[in-house]
Amino acid sequence: TQLLEQSPQFLSIQEGENLTVYCNSSSVFSSLQWYRQEPGEGPVLLVTVVTGGEVKKLKRLTFQFGDARKDSSLHITAAQPGDTGLYLCAGVGIGSWGKLQFGAGTQVVVTP
Amino acid sequence: DADVTQTPRNRITKTGKRIMLECSQTKGHDRMYWYRQDPGLGLRLIYYSFDVKDINKGEISDGYSVSRQAQAKFSLSLESAIPNQTALYFCATSRGPEAFFGQGTRLTVV
Repeated sequence: TQLLEQSPQFLSIQEGENLTVYCNSSSVFSSLQWYRQEPGEGPVLLVTVVTGGEVKKLKRLTFQFGDARKDSSLHITAAQPGDTGLYLCAGVGIGSWGKLQFGAGTQVVVTP
Repeated sequence: DADVTQTPRNRITKTGKRIMLECSQTKGHDRMYWYRQDPGLGLRLIYYSFDVKDINKGEISDGYSVSRQAQAKFSLSLESAIPNQTALYFCATSRGPEAFFGQGTRLTVV
């Protein structure tokens, strides 16, 4: 059982459309991170959210941390083919002694 | 040069063989991790270490062992490889919550 549940598992959209990826847990996190992974590469950090209710923007990507610090979302506006990749959320649960754990990921495919 | 280097990048081994995957880092981080990645399962934590004298089991440590030879080096061993250990393996380092990954080792056990 994954500590962090991501949905959907797979998302295929056309260029210019918007999309949202969700990361949910029953546990509280001191922070959550989002990573993007491309084939043959290791995950690369996109952002860290720390404060409940926090919203961070990275160009066309908007990240939100839930008020209770148990969930997060990633919204991409006007998706481009370069946004294609596996999006992973990760975090260290309160009381989990530094174990950095990941969700299963959402595979996003943006077609021209 | 990459900050986190994994060797080998690809390996095919036979069932029952012992194999070691190596990881070295130049980031000066104390924390190091080993994960395996399987399709649809994301990254699952095998072992992690917060300093040379600290080794902790992750979610799926059975069949694996690790050694933290120095702050910069963390190796993963499969004592007797089996086919369901075929996967992509990643080493990562961190100082705080944010992790930095190597490029992975694709291991196939036949």
